[in-house]
Amino acid sequence: AQKITQTQPGMFVQEKEAVTLDCTYDTSDPSYGLFWYKQPSSGEMIFLIYQGSYDQQNATEGRYSLNFQKARKSANLVISASQLGDSAMYFCAMREGPGNQFYFGTGTSLTVIP
Amino acid sequence: DSGVTQTPKHLITATGQRVTLRCSPRSGDLSVYWYQQSLDQGLQFLIQYYNGEERAKGNILERFSAQQFPDLHSELNLSSLELGDSALYFCASSPRTGRGYGYTFGSGTRLTVV
Repeated sequence: AQKITQTQPGMFVQEKEAVTLDCTYDTSDPSYGLFWYKQPSSGEMIFLIYQGSYDQQNATEGRYSLNFQKARKSANLVISASQLGDSAMYFCAMREGPGNQFYFGTGTSLTVIP
Repeated sequence: DSGVTQTPKHLITATGQRVTLRCSPRSGDLSVYWYQQSLDQGLQFLIQYYNGEERAKGNILERFSAQQFPDLHSELNLSSLELGDSALYFCASSPRTGRGYGYTFGSGTRLTVV
């Protein structure tokens, strides 16, 4: 089974609108970390936001927030007030297990339309 | 600048050749990870080093090898190159291997095998 599932290969959003990128994960470990990374067309991987499995509140970083629903094993990224510079690939990732392995999803390509 | 330095940024070489990719982790980070990103296979984990010792191996081919030196920089050696080895190779570093510690990625080395 896939550890991280991103079911939206491509998404479009109007500039200044909010968008939600879906991510579900699979683990039996009670302790894990969830991450989102952004990869613009230039190729670099940029860390956006982190959520720990024991964190009671949803993580927020500026315009990014993580909608953490533990029972559903989902960790959706919400980008508010989209900007043209948000157009990029977005990867959801999880770190868990005895070796603290890092698992990445297949990514969602976001295009912001002016 | 993420603090993780990868050189070279671009590399074009012929089939059958051998190349070395270099990574300097962020200051203070002990763990180094190598990933391969190709269009059809997403982000594939290759190998991890922690303070000079190999910690985990992923889908790394026998033609590939890596090491981490006492100054913590790491090198990924790719030999007998094939067309299918063309990809973006990322190095990432992390201060520790705990679940709360995310990766800091380098800007990647884009390898083209012709």
